[in-house]
Amino acid sequence: NAGVTQTPKFQVLKTGQSMTLQCAQDMNHEYMSWYRQDPGMGLRLIHYSVGAGITDQGEVPNGYNVSRSTTEDFPLRLLSAAPSQTSVYFCASSAQLAGVSEQYFGPGTRLTVT
Amino acid sequence: KNEVEQSPQNLTAQEGEFITINCSYSVGISALHWLQQHPGGGIVSLFMLSSGKKKHGRLIATINIQEKHSSLHITASHPRDSAVYICAPGPHSGGSNYKLTFGKGTLLTVNP
Repeated sequence: NAGVTQTPKFQVLKTGQSMTLQCAQDMNHEYMSWYRQDPGMGLRLIHYSVGAGITDQGEVPNGYNVSRSTTEDFPLRLLSAAPSQTSVYFCASSAQLAGVSEQYFGPGTRLTVT
Repeated sequence: KNEVEQSPQNLTAQEGEFITINCSYSVGISALHWLQQHPGGGIVSLFMLSSGKKKHGRLIATINIQEKHSSLHITASHPRDSAVYICAPGPHSGGSNYKLTFGKGTLLTVNP
């Protein structure tokens, strides 16, 4: 199993550009989520999904969109990049609800917005 | 919202020392996760526990649900243990079962 994969590993965007961060898992997990990690702060939840076709907002959803058309894939879209979105982004999946199931994280995407 | 406090924020140890990292949280939970992140690296789950103690190799995690406190211990520390350790309490009892709250992490450096 590859586990959770993310692409790209690194990305530089100009303000106003859009892009999609890809996330895929091959463990048939129902639950997937996107986090951002900023210096001096804990991981913060952007969006999450409890199954194909079902998504919901997390703590910091503004400026991001998600969709979940398949169990395997959970892309994160930046609609119009801003410098405040410079961060490291992690995708995670779990077999059950976060409170009762181990979390599997992808390797992260380091995004810089200039 | 669950407030999470980890201590210490930074910890430097000599190889072989016994390490303790503490985590306190404010709201009742169903389970708590301990995660490890090496510099520039991904995040790996070490433990998920809801009561008592769990052990994996040289790592031991304990939790006291009533006291809202958990500890991560590393016995016979080694330079390869150098990493950021993150505490993540699960959702509070009766609340959303999906959203974790993450501590800011403890940066551990083990010198040879």
